Amino acid sequence: GPKVLQIPSHQIIDMGQMVTLNCDPVSNHLYFYWYKQILGQQMEFLVNFYNGKVMEKSKLFKDQFSVERPDGSYFTLKIQPTALEDSAVYFCASSSLSQNTLYFGAGTRLSVL
Amino acid sequence: AQSVDQPDAHVTLSEGASLELRCSYSYSAAPYLFWYVQYPGQSLQFLLKYITGDTVVKGTKGFEAEFRKSNSSFNLKKSPAHWSDSAKYFCALGQQGTGSKLSFGKGAKLTVSP
Repeated sequence: GPKVLQIPSHQIIDMGQMVTLNCDPVSNHLYFYWYKQILGQQMEFLVNFYNGKVMEKSKLFKDQFSVERPDGSYFTLKIQPTALEDSAVYFCASSSLSQNTLYFGAGTRLSVL
Repeated sequence: AQSVDQPDAHVTLSEGASLELRCSYSYSAAPYLFWYVQYPGQSLQFLLKYITGDTVVKGTKGFEAEFRKSNSSFNLKKSPAHWSDSAKYFCALGQQGTGSKLSFGKGAKLTVSP
């Protein structure tokens, strides 16, 4: 099936630093998403993005979070500054203009020390 | 508000048996319902979805699910189960329209012993 790539698979940083998580979505998809999964808990929606704009965000999408996809490059999630509670696996997903099905990447495990 | 409940966190059965993973949802409007599977170290893979129409939907890998509006359920089934079906399964609920978010259940870890 369609592939979503996430880079890196694991990121370790110190609290207070900035981190950027990268996602290469399916090539013809236009909707993009980030989800957060804390160990042992369910996957929680963070944000969705279309046509250069955030469509919807949850309360987990703090002011320190931002997303962008400049000119068809990676869809990124930036956290600045990071906090200990940001440690989690972050999943990127994308979907097409005509389909509701989301396709997910394998996740980036973020460890904030 | 919308929510998804998967009441069985762990399901264990023998190869050749029938499997059924339960999913119930809460949503005030017409739901879009999905099942995904995650193998260790891999991404979530789409199995099947219900949008409208036939209440029994067939997906990949021999799985099917039945939408029951009467009790707000969307249970996943397969018979017979194979050891390669061992994985974690997630039920998800979406809203009408493309680009809408999905709300996930906590997942059910399925172990099929040979």
